[in-house]
Amino acid sequence: ETGVTQTPRHLVMGMTNKKSLKCEQHLGHNAMYWYKQSAKKPLELMFVYSLEERVENNSVPSRFSPECPNSSHLFLHLHTLQPEDSALYLCASSQDGQGAEAFFGQGTRLTVV
Amino acid sequence: QKEVEQNSGPLSVPEGAIASLNCTYSDRVSQSFFWYRQYSGKSPELIMSIYSNGDKEDGRFTAQLNKASQYVSLLIRDSQPSDSATYLCAVKGFNKFYFGSGTKLNVKP
Repeated sequence: ETGVTQTPRHLVMGMTNKKSLKCEQHLGHNAMYWYKQSAKKPLELMFVYSLEERVENNSVPSRFSPECPNSSHLFLHLHTLQPEDSALYLCASSQDGQGAEAFFGQGTRLTVV
Repeated sequence: QKEVEQNSGPLSVPEGAIASLNCTYSDRVSQSFFWYRQYSGKSPELIMSIYSNGDKEDGRFTAQLNKASQYVSLLIRDSQPSDSATYLCAVKGFNKFYFGSGTKLNVKP
């Protein structure tokens, strides 16, 4: 596989469920990101990992918990989400931790019911 | 004030025309500028980057940067229906990276 791969592509979960989103990059990049994309809003940067260390957390609620076990894998653990958390969650990677020239995965369309 | 501003559109142009997409940014120390294309239901894809004032051409695409006026634009020549998408402007500042909310382009056959 090449590029950035996200699973699952679609997820429907109840507000009391716990689920995880997975991202894997095959580009040899050093940085990985989670973005949230809601309708008619700019991409919202959630978390940045550079060389497996979290370097940015943009005031994201604790019901979203990231995990980066190595430079190729990134997870977003979800628990007790709200309906307003329904969105497209995009993973991206780049060579450095500045976000420039990022390559995106296909995203996970999350619906919280 | 938003860090990166774009007109949400939609911008409609006929096939074969030039589409002009504009973006302004607020951080004067911004260093690098990018255009991403996002088809409906898909993820953003990097199509152009520009780092210095002036024009940068790549096929039918031309990025224009004017740091004094703090704007960056993307011109698409000979627009095709397949160019219909949302175009996101992204700006890299000293230590931050911001996306605009995107301009939706419709190219009519």
